[in-house]
Amino acid sequence: DGGITQSPKYLFRKEGQNVTLSCEQNLNHDAMYWYRQDPGQGLRLIYYSQIVNDFQKGDIAEGYSVSREKKESFPLTVTSAQKNPTAFYLCASSIARSQLGNTIYFGEGSWLTVV
Amino acid sequence: KQEVTQIPAALSVPEGENLVLNCSFTDSAIYNLQWFRQDPGKGLTSLLLIQSSQREQTSGRLNASLDKSSGRSTLYIAASQPGDSATYLCAVPPQGGSEKLVFGKGTKLTVNP
Repeated sequence: DGGITQSPKYLFRKEGQNVTLSCEQNLNHDAMYWYRQDPGQGLRLIYYSQIVNDFQKGDIAEGYSVSREKKESFPLTVTSAQKNPTAFYLCASSIARSQLGNTIYFGEGSWLTVV
Repeated sequence: KQEVTQIPAALSVPEGENLVLNCSFTDSAIYNLQWFRQDPGKGLTSLLLIQSSQREQTSGRLNASLDKSSGRSTLYIAASQPGDSATYLCAVPPQGGSEKLVFGKGTKLTVNP
């Protein structure tokens, strides 16, 4: 089945550690995104990528890094510089940006907790 | 800067009732508006996408309308069921960047049997 797969579902991070969240899609979408969701808050954009080997900062990129070496994959690294990383992280994808008005598809999310 | 507001934050209704969820946005220069459903601890599922040239879209018991001039959209759910219980979010892309969706905080709907 086509879709977006995020792993792991639950992740615990110790202070000072970097952790990486995986996101894979088999929808042949050009654009991919990472959002962060905090309780009672709307989704906030961390990073997005429109094509392979290119990505742009979103509204809250500090303390995060990404790569886009393959069309299907867009991993997110939460670095030790991110002081408040506990949140629900959502990966999403859509058809190329030039085609305005396309539906965006989301993965099932990953919960990250600092211990 | 585009801002999206959803009121109310929570809504509880008895099964079978028709209901309306509201979404307002500050910048009317939008390409489209999307409505999503989110179950607890899950990702978002797209329900309806309304292009800026459209006034409404329908899917089953759901009907979404868009009034760009007033900066408003509504999601109408007919004959609500307990399975409709979820958080409903709306999102709009700001002018010049369809990839940067701006989300509302959502309306948490509970349909009581």
